[in-house]
Amino acid sequence: EAQVTQNPRYLITVTGKKLTVTCSQNMNHEYMSWYRQDPGLGLRQIYYSMNVEVTDKGDVPEGYKVSRKEKRNFPLILESPSPNQTSLYFCASSLLGQPSSYEQYFGPGTRLTVT
Amino acid sequence: LAKTTQPISMDSYEGQEVNITCSHNNIATNDYITWYQQFPSQGPRFIIQGYKTKVTNEVASLFIPADRKSSTLSLPRVSLSDTAVYYCLLDNNAGNMLTFGGGTRLMVKP
Repeated sequence: EAQVTQNPRYLITVTGKKLTVTCSQNMNHEYMSWYRQDPGLGLRQIYYSMNVEVTDKGDVPEGYKVSRKEKRNFPLILESPSPNQTSLYFCASSLLGQPSSYEQYFGPGTRLTVT
Repeated sequence: LAKTTQPISMDSYEGQEVNITCSHNNIATNDYITWYQQFPSQGPRFIIQGYKTKVTNEVASLFIPADRKSSTLSLPRVSLSDTAVYYCLLDNNAGNMLTFGGGTRLMVKP
């Protein structure tokens, strides 16, 4: 089954304790992206990657890191989490360069709470 | 980045057709108009995408006028399960930064 998986689905942590949220897709997609969703603000893009070893900042990259060492994986790293990073996080993937047939596939989300 | 504007919320009744409009006055030549649906605590799901005129698939239609400064998502005969948030966004299919905006919260009533 074609899918995007994220782990963990729920995480409660404390300020300053480094954490990683994993994202994996099995569709051989070039493009992967991370979003955060906060009440009243819709989805905001954190980072995206157009292929292996190619990453770029989205709307709200501060406080986050990403890496793309393999095509299927795109982990989100919070080196020193702070309470303002409490949010619902989504990973997504898609093909690139296919006009009028493009769609992003989203993972189930990771709800992060930083105390 | 080109921005989109949608109504914050809409109400409808089962069996009715629902039309959600999206304004995008600064749309670029390479932008495609894309709509997603999101249920609570789930990731968004792609509904439809178009460039101009009309596009139809099994779940929705997308109407785009010649100037492309707006678009209308049409959901025929909605049911309670269509209650969700609907996002309109512009996508140039080049992997650049995407902005979803606040979306339109559709409530379908019995």
